[in-house]
Amino acid sequence: SQQGEEDPQALSIQEGENATMNCSYKTSINNLQWYRQNSGRGLVHLILIRSNEREKHSGRLRVTLDTSKKSSSLLITASRAADTASYFCATFSNDYKLSFGAGTTVTVRA
Amino acid sequence: KAGVTQTPRYLIKTRGQQVTLSCSPISGHRSVSWYQQTPGQGLQFLFEYFSETQRNKGNFPGRFSGRQFSNSRSEMNVSTLELGDSALYLCASSGMTGNEQFFGPGTRLTVL
Repeated sequence: SQQGEEDPQALSIQEGENATMNCSYKTSINNLQWYRQNSGRGLVHLILIRSNEREKHSGRLRVTLDTSKKSSSLLITASRAADTASYFCATFSNDYKLSFGAGTTVTVRA
Repeated sequence: KAGVTQTPRYLIKTRGQQVTLSCSPISGHRSVSWYQQTPGQGLQFLFEYFSETQRNKGNFPGRFSGRQFSNSRSEMNVSTLELGDSALYLCASSGMTGNEQFFGPGTRLTVL
């Protein structure tokens, strides 16, 4: 079973536009992480936000966390073709496992 | 630092056989986790090892097992392979459980 659910499942945008994807989860968490995966390869960690944080930035990435709504969002600004990938949210709870959502597939058109 | 390495990268087996996959974590990382990724089920947690101890296990049958050695290298074994075991198996290491995980490139297992 998956803890997080991403929305939308797929997103197609023009280069230079912003991409926003959302993640909802079910149980209490210690932290929430976002990962990127290119074409069925290994995942790359993007950003980690702790349960007591509300917003975090890293380069062109902005992550928000609302623990009362059990939701998070990832914003990628000024998208590039290289941002084409699948994005996954993952929640870490007290049971020592990282639970991934189904992912959002982002396509950036030139 | 060298990244997480997984061997082999590709594997073709037939039903009923068994398979062993290997993962070498980043030097100094003591936590190693395994995941199965399929188009239908997505990324599913298999198990996590820390200092040779399995700390948690996902909802997989007993045919899936793993172990970690004193140098933190880890192996996972799948016995009596089924067609549904065809997947990308990903290994990830972390300096501390719960922190960012560094993933290997995965082993693509095909069961015929």
